[in-house]
Amino acid sequence: DGGITQSPKYLFRKEGQNVTLSCEQNLNHDAMYWYRQDPGQGLRLIYYSQIVNDFQKGDIAEGYSVSREKKESFPLTVTSAQKNPTAFYLCASSIVQGWETQYFGPGTRLLVL
Amino acid sequence: AQSVTQLGSHVSVSEGALVLLRCNYSSSVPPYLFWYVQYPNQGLQLLLKYTSAATLVKGINGFEAEFKKSETSFHLTKPSAHMSDAAEYFCAVSDLQGAQKLVFGQGTRLTINP
Repeated sequence: DGGITQSPKYLFRKEGQNVTLSCEQNLNHDAMYWYRQDPGQGLRLIYYSQIVNDFQKGDIAEGYSVSREKKESFPLTVTSAQKNPTAFYLCASSIVQGWETQYFGPGTRLLVL
Repeated sequence: AQSVTQLGSHVSVSEGALVLLRCNYSSSVPPYLFWYVQYPNQGLQLLLKYTSAATLVKGINGFEAEFKKSETSFHLTKPSAHMSDAAEYFCAVSDLQGAQKLVFGQGTRLTINP
């Protein structure tokens, strides 16, 4: 079955530590996205990528970094500079051309120890 | 810039009653509009989308939404609520400028009372 996988489901970060969230898709989509979800604030865009080896900052990119070395993969690193990382992180993908639906993964919940 | 306002962070209805979730948008160009549903601790699933074809859009699970340009609204309705409809619902807007970026509303949590 085609879809988006995110791992791990839960992730714990110690203070000063960088952690990486995985996102993989087998939908053959060109575009991929990372969102952060906090209670009562909807989804906010962190980074997005329309093509391999290219990505753009979203609305809340500070303290995060990404890479897009393969079409299928778009990992997100939460760096120690992100002072409030506790949130639910959602990865999505879509066909670039046109205004197609974004398909979402199951999410990763990041907690700070 | 686009924006979305969902009126009511929490909506509670009785099983079998009408469901109405409100969404108003702001966009300087013709918008594309989406409703997504999120069950606890899961990702988002598309319910329906408006892409300038028919103004009344039918989606999954018996939901539909009507695009009203004069009111800049895209409210979501379902004639008869079911217990399984309890979830959080997000309205989102995109347009034809630049990258396909969705702007989401803050969400409405729907509770169904037996």
